[in-house]
Amino acid sequence: QKEVEQDPGPLSVPEGAIVSLNCTYSNSAFQYFMWYRQYSRKGPELLMYTYSSGNKEDGRFTAQVDKSSKYISLFIRDSQPSDSATYLCAMTNRGSTLGRLYFGRGTQLTVWP
Amino acid sequence: GAVVSQHPSRVICKSGTSVKIECRSLDFQATTMFWYRQFPKKSLMLMATSNEGSKATYEQGVEKDKFLINHASLTLSTLTVTSAHPEDSSFYICSARAPGQGTDTQYFGPGTRLTVL
Repeated sequence: QKEVEQDPGPLSVPEGAIVSLNCTYSNSAFQYFMWYRQYSRKGPELLMYTYSSGNKEDGRFTAQVDKSSKYISLFIRDSQPSDSATYLCAMTNRGSTLGRLYFGRGTQLTVWP
Repeated sequence: GAVVSQHPSRVICKSGTSVKIECRSLDFQATTMFWYRQFPKKSLMLMATSNEGSKATYEQGVEKDKFLINHASLTLSTLTVTSAHPEDSSFYICSARAPGQGTDTQYFGPGTRLTVL
């Protein structure tokens, strides 16, 4: 079993839709959770950073962490065509070697006008 | 803040030659940098972790003699692909830990697309 599981999609939604992306993980020691957005042929861009359980909101983006279920989510409200990208979840624990991140395989999202 | 650059963005080389890729943290000092490889429509594969002033730590299955990593300063790490072969063609991405901005976050460079003919 991989440490981080993420449905690769592809996911296709109309503009204005609410998008829900999620990841599950197996290592209960993970404490730090991140979402990255990667446009085609570009490096990943940090979107959200969350420590432990709870919600975090930033504009149209909301990250949720449920450590009891080992489940994290990213919600995108009022989705825009510019949100079309691959979204990668990543996580780590404080004791991880030199801050190594464990990534999901990414979900490809297309928002059509 | 927390900008990471990579150079070159794209390189094409002949089989058997060596290629050097630079990764720079532009506005912060990065004691730790990471090198990843990414295949089309696949996630990031960690190749090695690079610490300033010490030898890199390579992931299992990554040939350290083929992928030479040097982290000579707090703002620069280099990856040299030696004796490149067509199977080394890939998208190489570096990242750097940004202290004081979430100790476990990494900021990524824009990537380098390597094509070996």
